Amino acid sequence: NAGVTQTPKFRVLKTGQSMTLLCAQDMNHEYMYWYRQDPGMGLRLIHYSVGEGTTAKGEVPDGYNVSRLKKQNFLLGLESAAPSQTSVYFCASSGQRVRYEQYFGPGTRLTVT
Amino acid sequence: AQSVTQPDIHITVSEGASLELRCNYSYGATPYLFWYVQSPGQGLQLLLKYFSGDTLVQGIKGFEAEFKRSQSSFNLRKPSVHWSDAAEYFCAVVLGSSNTGKLIFGQGTTLQVKP
Repeated sequence: NAGVTQTPKFRVLKTGQSMTLLCAQDMNHEYMYWYRQDPGMGLRLIHYSVGEGTTAKGEVPDGYNVSRLKKQNFLLGLESAAPSQTSVYFCASSGQRVRYEQYFGPGTRLTVT
Repeated sequence: AQSVTQPDIHITVSEGASLELRCNYSYGATPYLFWYVQSPGQGLQLLLKYFSGDTLVQGIKGFEAEFKRSQSSFNLRKPSVHWSDAAEYFCAVVLGSSNTGKLIFGQGTTLQVKP
């Protein structure tokens, strides 16, 4: 099994551009999460989903949108990128029975200039 | 509000020496606690978790952690560190009584291992 995969691995955007990060999991997990990681701040939850077709805001949702049209995919969108969104983005998933045990993808490093 | 504090941003130990990484949490009830490890350029991997029961929990890669309610701590330990243990370590707690699996992470501790 591939586990949790993220596309792309790296991206450079100019301020104001848009992009979508794709997260895919093959473990049939109900729960999926998007985090951002910044130096000295640990991981902060952006948005999460408890099932197909549902999404909810996390700790730092501003400037991001998400969609979960299929159970295995969780998309994170930036409509108008800002330099403050330069970060490493991680996707994670967990199953309903062990929902606190999250499996993480390898991350996407995004730079906004 | 729940929070997690890792007081040490950076720790250096010699290979073969013992290791203890500190984690303190702020939460009213019995928390669910976790330690994750992140190797350079990689995602996070779960080392161990505490939900209830025995306060000393064993994890992968020879790590263990002890839950101490009186000190609101969940420190990670390893008796003999290997060079491959150099990584960033995160302590995390479940957010409130959440049934959504949301975690709050500490700021992380970077471990450097000297040969």
